[in-house]
Amino acid sequence: EAEVAQSPRYKITEKSQAVAFWCDPISGHATLYWYRQILGQGPELLVQFQDESVVDDSQLPKDRFSAERLKGVDSTLKIQPAELGDSAMYLCASSLEPSPGNTIYFGEGSWLTVV
Amino acid sequence: AQSVTQLGSHVSVSEGALVLLRCNYSSSVPPYLFWYVQYPNQGLQLLLKYTSAATLVKGINGFEAEFKKSETSFHLTKPSAHMSDAAEYFCAVSYGGSQGNLIFGKGTKLSVKP
Repeated sequence: EAEVAQSPRYKITEKSQAVAFWCDPISGHATLYWYRQILGQGPELLVQFQDESVVDDSQLPKDRFSAERLKGVDSTLKIQPAELGDSAMYLCASSLEPSPGNTIYFGEGSWLTVV
Repeated sequence: AQSVTQLGSHVSVSEGALVLLRCNYSSSVPPYLFWYVQYPNQGLQLLLKYTSAATLVKGINGFEAEFKKSETSFHLTKPSAHMSDAAEYFCAVSYGGSQGNLIFGKGTKLSVKP
């Protein structure tokens, strides 16, 4: 079964350093999401792409976070500089299209610890 | 604004007992409702979803949920708990007119006692 691939699975970084996460969605999925999940809470959307275009980044802290999906396939989420409060799991997900009833498939997640 | 409330951050049942995880939604437009399961240090896996067809939805691993518009609820049930059901469960909503993004509840951690 096709899966959403993410790397790295675990990352420890020092405060003020830069960190990046990579995601490869299920082949053919036009819509890609990055969610952040703080321990003990549900995931919250950071950014949503349709092909290579951003359709929602209203919750992305743009002073330190950036995301791109240059060729409309894989995507990178960057944090610079990292802060202690950024410690969380970063989940990438994808779906065929941005329709409300479509199933969203999640990757295994990337755990970030900022020290 | 659309939102999801999961009652009970932690539910504990005995193996073989009924599992009931509660979810209430708030939506001004017809909702699409989902239940996901998350095992430790893993991503989310879809259990089932409601998309305005049958109100009783059957999912994987013996789980089912019933959409009750009058109660704005979408509770998840399983007749007989198994040790392997121990995990965190998230209810989520999306809605017509949106870009398909999911709004999640805070999750309910299910423990299963032998």
